[in-house]
Amino acid sequence: AQSVTQLDSHVSVSEGTPVLLRCNYSSSYSPSLFWYVQHPNKGLQLLLKYTSAATLVKGINGFEAEFKKSETSFHLTKPSAHMSDAAEYFCVVSDLVDTGGFKTIFGAGTRLFVKA
Amino acid sequence: DAMVIQNPRYQVTQFGKPVTLSCSQTLNHNVMYWYQQKSSQAPKLLFHYYDKDFNNEADTPDNFQSRRPNTSFCFLDIRSPGLGDAAMYLCATSRNWDRGGAKNIQYFGAGTRLSVL
Repeated sequence: AQSVTQLDSHVSVSEGTPVLLRCNYSSSYSPSLFWYVQHPNKGLQLLLKYTSAATLVKGINGFEAEFKKSETSFHLTKPSAHMSDAAEYFCVVSDLVDTGGFKTIFGAGTRLFVKA
Repeated sequence: DAMVIQNPRYQVTQFGKPVTLSCSQTLNHNVMYWYQQKSSQAPKLLFHYYDKDFNNEADTPDNFQSRRPNTSFCFLDIRSPGLGDAAMYLCATSRNWDRGGAKNIQYFGAGTRLSVL
């Protein structure tokens, strides 16, 4: 069965310092993994995706994530936080299911605060 | 450039008064989804259409219905809104597989925030 766990509900960093948002997953097959960002009162925007190609995935706005199969993790990082990065971040896993079709699971979300 | 468009952005309705939210897409994707998102929570899938096939989530209340008259449009109808239905409603689309092999990337609209008075 699939599941997604975002280990921190809130993360607070200072502007210019690194960002780490943690995500662990479980999946029966070979999943695709995504990170989405949601700014207040906006829809979800795709930051990056993992598709079983390169394990280090680069996304928009300087974000990247590394897929570690042995740790079943897909943590999101950014070397230097910007005030505009303050938002809610969702880790998402999508995979085939036994009955056919896809199942997409959202993590509970991590709220990123960026202090000046 | 907007690819998934939701109208209106903000909707106010009265308790028990039917309301319809709309979503359109220019991506020609097979699948369209409706999610409900309450404050500080992850989006919760209500249902989706794969082409014309409607797929309801088991825990979606009967109060919520959907229509997809063609590929581009999908509507969410709330027959008798209650106070607990106040939320952000997100529409998304997907093609199931992208050229890079990702399964089921979903593209989201900006959402409609529904208030129930």
